[in-house]
Amino acid sequence: QKEVEQDPGPLSVPEGAIVSLNCTYSNSAFQYFMWYRQYSRKGPELLMYTYSSGNKEDGRFTAQVDKSSKYISLFIRDSQPSDSATYLCALGTGGGNKLTFGTGTQLKVEL
Amino acid sequence: GAVVSQHPSWVICKSGTSVKIECRSLDFQATTMFWYRQFPKQSLMLMATSNEGSKATYEQGVEKDKFLINHASLTLSTLTVTSAHPEDSSFYICSAPQAGAASYNEQFFGPGTRLTVL
Repeated sequence: QKEVEQDPGPLSVPEGAIVSLNCTYSNSAFQYFMWYRQYSRKGPELLMYTYSSGNKEDGRFTAQVDKSSKYISLFIRDSQPSDSATYLCALGTGGGNKLTFGTGTQLKVEL
Repeated sequence: GAVVSQHPSWVICKSGTSVKIECRSLDFQATTMFWYRQFPKQSLMLMATSNEGSKATYEQGVEKDKFLINHASLTLSTLTVTSAHPEDSSFYICSAPQAGAASYNEQFFGPGTRLTVL
């Protein structure tokens, strides 16, 4: 079993839709939860990070963490074609800053 | 946010040659940098942790003699792929955490280097 599981997609949605992206994990030592966006042939860029259960909102993005279920989500409201990218969850234990990434979900937002 | 650059962005080399990839933190100092490899449609796999002034720490299964890492200054780490073979063709990405007061240090990623070995 992988430490972090993420559906690779692809996920295709119409413009304006609410997108839900999810990861599950097995290691309870993970304390930091990040979402990165990666465009094709580019490095990942950090979208959201949180370290506690609950919701964190930033503009159209909401990160949700449920430590008891070992489940994290990223919601994108009013999705735009420019949101088309691969979204990677990344988890860290804090020590040494090492991150464990999910496989990434490829998202396509269509006009 | 902080900027991390990589050079070159794209390189093609012949089998058996060595290739050096540079990772620079442009506006902050990084005592630690991370090197990842990403195959098409797959996630980032951590290869090694580069430590300024000391030896790199390699992940299990990564050959330290094949992937040489040098972190000679607080803003530069280099990854040299020695005696490259076609199976080394991949997208290599570095990242650097920016130190701060929080226990979690945000990592900034470089744009990646695409290596193709013929």
